[in-house]
Amino acid sequence: QVQLQESGPGLVKPSGTLSLSCTVSGGSVSTTTYYWVWIRQPPGRGLEWIGSIYDSESTYYNPSLKSRVTISRDTPGNQVSVKLSSVTAADTAVYFCARGYGSYLDKWGRGTLVTVSS
Amino acid sequence: SYELTQPPSVSVSPGQTATLSCSGDNLGNKYAAWYQKKPGQSPVLIIHQDTKRPSGIPERFSGSNSGNTATLTISGTQAMDEADYYCQAWDNSNIFFGGGTKLTVL
Repeated sequence: QVQLQESGPGLVKPSGTLSLSCTVSGGSVSTTTYYWVWIRQPPGRGLEWIGSIYDSESTYYNPSLKSRVTISRDTPGNQVSVKLSSVTAADTAVYFCARGYGSYLDKWGRGTLVTVSS
Repeated sequence: SYELTQPPSVSVSPGQTATLSCSGDNLGNKYAAWYQKKPGQSPVLIIHQDTKRPSGIPERFSGSNSGNTATLTISGTQAMDEADYYCQAWDNSNIFFGGGTKLTVL
């Protein structure tokens, strides 16, 4: 059974770069069947798609974040990572990684809270 | 950008049917998925490809999608169904979420 686990600093300073990893167990991030997605949920608000990475290394980003976000894959480490630059308090959120299959997301990590504060 | 609109809240009495809507331009031409999210937990996929239930999801959850509206129906709603529900669509490798509906069972 595949499991996803997010990890990274829980506190990031304003104007800094948020960096998170998603470690996948019970499956391979190199699979051609699935793709990998980052989503976030600010406190008291809804889910927001950040971006996705496919087996071809193709990446797709939310236009509202595209200038600041990079998603990459570490095949040996079986991880998917997200970097978000120039963060502000508005980037404070619980960040989730998820596995995509076709049009939907069938597995989610437990999420990790990132707070942007000095 | 593609927008999905959900009512912020829906209330239902235990044992009754809850109907949650999700509206988007020609949404019926895309696949809709639904997720249940409880506080402090990760979202759980409850409906995909408009009408399909993943293994382990109770039969009281059902979905439909036509025209501009996808609908999640919960028959015989239970107290444990109180949660936030999000619809989601996929288009050209972009993912869109509705704003979510808080379902209150009272």
